[in-house]
Amino acid sequence: NAGVTQTPKFQVLKTGQSMTLQCAQDMNHEYMSWYRQDPGMGLRLIHYSVGAGITDQGEVPNGYNVSRSTTEDFPLRLLSAAPSQTSVYFCATRGGDYYGYTFGSGTRLTVV
Amino acid sequence: AQSVTQPDIHITVSEGASLELRCNYSYGATPYLFWYVQSPGQGLQLLLKYFSGDTLVQGIKGFEAEFKRSQSSFNLRKPSVHWSDAAEYFCAVGGGNDMRFGAGTRLTVKP
Repeated sequence: NAGVTQTPKFQVLKTGQSMTLQCAQDMNHEYMSWYRQDPGMGLRLIHYSVGAGITDQGEVPNGYNVSRSTTEDFPLRLLSAAPSQTSVYFCATRGGDYYGYTFGSGTRLTVV
Repeated sequence: AQSVTQPDIHITVSEGASLELRCNYSYGATPYLFWYVQSPGQGLQLLLKYFSGDTLVQGIKGFEAEFKRSQSSFNLRKPSVHWSDAAEYFCAVGGGNDMRFGAGTRLTVKP
C-alpha cells in the first residue's frame, strides 16, 4: 500500500519550459490537493479536487493547471515555468472524515 | 479566512528537556486543528488532531496538544525531547476543502 506517490522527486527546468508533476494515490480518497512549500511561508494550497471532474483553486493558483480524470491521479501542470515557481511541491489526500492529510514525499523543482 | 501563526521560527532545546511549540489560529467556527512533523527531505506526517471534545489530545511519538478556545491556541508539548525529534513542525487549521498551514517551527535538539 503505497499511499501517495509523487514523481519525479527532483526536476530542473529552464524558464518557459512546461512540465507535469504526477500524483497518484491508492487510498480511494475523493479529495486531493497540491501545495507548494517555500521557506518561511509554510505550505500554500495551489489547487484541490473533491472528485473526478471537479477541481478548484486554492490560495496560489496562478501559473498552474490541474485536471482530475480519475480518482487515483491528480497531475499538476506548469505551462510556462518561471523562477518564482522554484519550490517543493506536495500532493496530499484526505478521507471524508477530516482525519488529517496523507502527504506524498514531494517534488523539488528548480526553475533556472 | 482561516489562518495559522507559529510565532517561533526556530527553537533549540536540550535532549531530555521539555518542549512547547506555539500555535495560534484564526477561524470563524469550531476549527479542526492539526500538528504535522516533517523530517528533512520527507513529506509531512500527522502527529495529532483535534476536532471536538477533550481539549487535551494525545498523538504519536509522545506528543500532546491542548486546545484553548479563549486564547485561539493549540500548542504542542512533549515532556522529554529525544534527538530524533529534531525536525520541522507545522500547525494547521482546516475546514471544508482548504487546510491552512503555519510557516513552521524548526526544532534543533542539543546533545
